[in-house]
Amino acid sequence: ETGVTQTPRHLVMGMTNKKSLKCEQHLGHNAMYWYKQSAKKPLELMFVYNFKEQTENNSVPSRFSPECPNSSHLFLHLHTLQPEDSALYLCASSPSGGYTDTQYFGPGTRLTVL
Amino acid sequence: QKEVEQNSGPLSVPEGAIASLNCTYSDRVSQSFFWYRQYSGKSPELIMSIYSNGDKEDGRFTAQLNKASQYVSLLIRDSQPSDSATYLCAVGGSNFGNEKLTFGTGTRLTIIP
Repeated sequence: ETGVTQTPRHLVMGMTNKKSLKCEQHLGHNAMYWYKQSAKKPLELMFVYNFKEQTENNSVPSRFSPECPNSSHLFLHLHTLQPEDSALYLCASSPSGGYTDTQYFGPGTRLTVL
Repeated sequence: QKEVEQNSGPLSVPEGAIASLNCTYSDRVSQSFFWYRQYSGKSPELIMSIYSNGDKEDGRFTAQLNKASQYVSLLIRDSQPSDSATYLCAVGGSNFGNEKLTFGTGTRLTIIP
C-alpha cells in the first residue's frame, strides 16, 4: 500500500538532537493523524489535523511539535526526546475526519532515542 | 476515559477452524467500530467496519456488534496461516463530530497448520 508514505522508516537519535518525521498521503484525504505505538500498549492518538487545522492534541508533551502545511503533508518535529519516547510512530489519513471514516495507515517510523 | 478491552492472547486456532476475536468498550454511546489487522513489523490495515447492531459479513470475515452489551467481535472462518497477525479493535464516534478512534491493545492470533 503506497497511499500513505512515511520517512524515514527508522531513526536513531540522541536526547539532544532535533529531527523531523514526514508523512505524505496520495489519497486525496482531508484529515491526517499521528499515532504512537509502544509495545504492549494500545495505539495512542497524538494529533489530528482536519483541512490543515489541528483539531486534536491528546495531551502530547511539547517536545513533539506537529506541522501540517497542506492536506497532503504532515510533519512531526522532535526535540529533546526521552528514551521512553522510543516507539513506532504511525501516520494515518482519512477522507474527512468523520467518525465513520476508515483511517489508512502509513508504514511507520521506528524511533529509538538513546 | 474511554476504554477498549481485548484479550491479548496469543490465541491459537487450527487451520480451517473458526477464529473468534472479542472486544468490549466502555463508552456506551460509541457509534463506529473497526477491526484492523497488523502483521508483525507492518502497519494496521482495515478488515471490517460496523455501525449497526447485528452481523456484517465480508468473505471469510464476519463482524458482530451488540451495543446493549457493548461488545463487538470478529469471526474468521476457514482460518488460514496468512491470518496469523495481531487484530486491533477500534471504537469511535462517541460525541457528535468526534473523529477520535480508541484502540485496544490487540489480540495476537496464530493459525496452526
